[in-house]
Amino acid sequence: GAVVSQHPSRVICKSGTSVKIECRSLDFQATTMFWYRQFPKKSLMLMATSNEGSKATYEQGVEKDKFLINHASLTLSTLTVTSAHPEDSSFYICSATSGADYEQYFGPGTRLTVT
Amino acid sequence: AQSVTQPDIHITVSEGASLELRCNYSYGATPYLFWYVQSPGQGLQLLLKYFSGDTLVQGIKGFEAEFKRSQSSFNLRKPSVHWSDAAEYFCAVGGYSSASKIIFGSGTRLSIRP
Repeated sequence: GAVVSQHPSRVICKSGTSVKIECRSLDFQATTMFWYRQFPKKSLMLMATSNEGSKATYEQGVEKDKFLINHASLTLSTLTVTSAHPEDSSFYICSATSGADYEQYFGPGTRLTVT
Repeated sequence: AQSVTQPDIHITVSEGASLELRCNYSYGATPYLFWYVQSPGQGLQLLLKYFSGDTLVQGIKGFEAEFKRSQSSFNLRKPSVHWSDAAEYFCAVGGYSSASKIIFGSGTRLSIRP
């Protein structure tokens, strides 16, 4: 089946620094990738949708200048949390779809802790 | 507005007992419906999905779900749970294409009583 990886799985950074999270589709070309955020014991909140080669579409209330998304290739999307603060600490999950079937394939998630 | 409601925050069942997790949705058109499972600190695994056709859908790990349009429901069932089924379960609804947004319910945490 389709596999999506995320790197790193866990990251700790200091307040004010930026951190980049990678999402890769390992065995298919992802025309669309999605980034979600999950707070402890909460559901997944869609942050943005990105299509290869174009700007990401952000959900209402998500700061596009703080959460930079780049989908430069059909197998890689990155989420950069800029000037991170403790309230950005969360579990970030990406998903990818090839468009060939009606399914999104989810990555294993990245645990971000901002100290 | 599109939404998914999972009314049960936490359910505990005995091992070997049957299980039903409730899900109701609000969607402007015929929805694509999903159930995902998430173990602690892990990503999501798709249990099953409904796009069209037979309203009783079989999934992995012995799970099934039934789409009832008249009740706007897509409840998940399993006849006999195992201790390894303890996890968080999410119902979700999406649009007509894989590029459509998926909206998740708030989740139901399942605990298994030995």
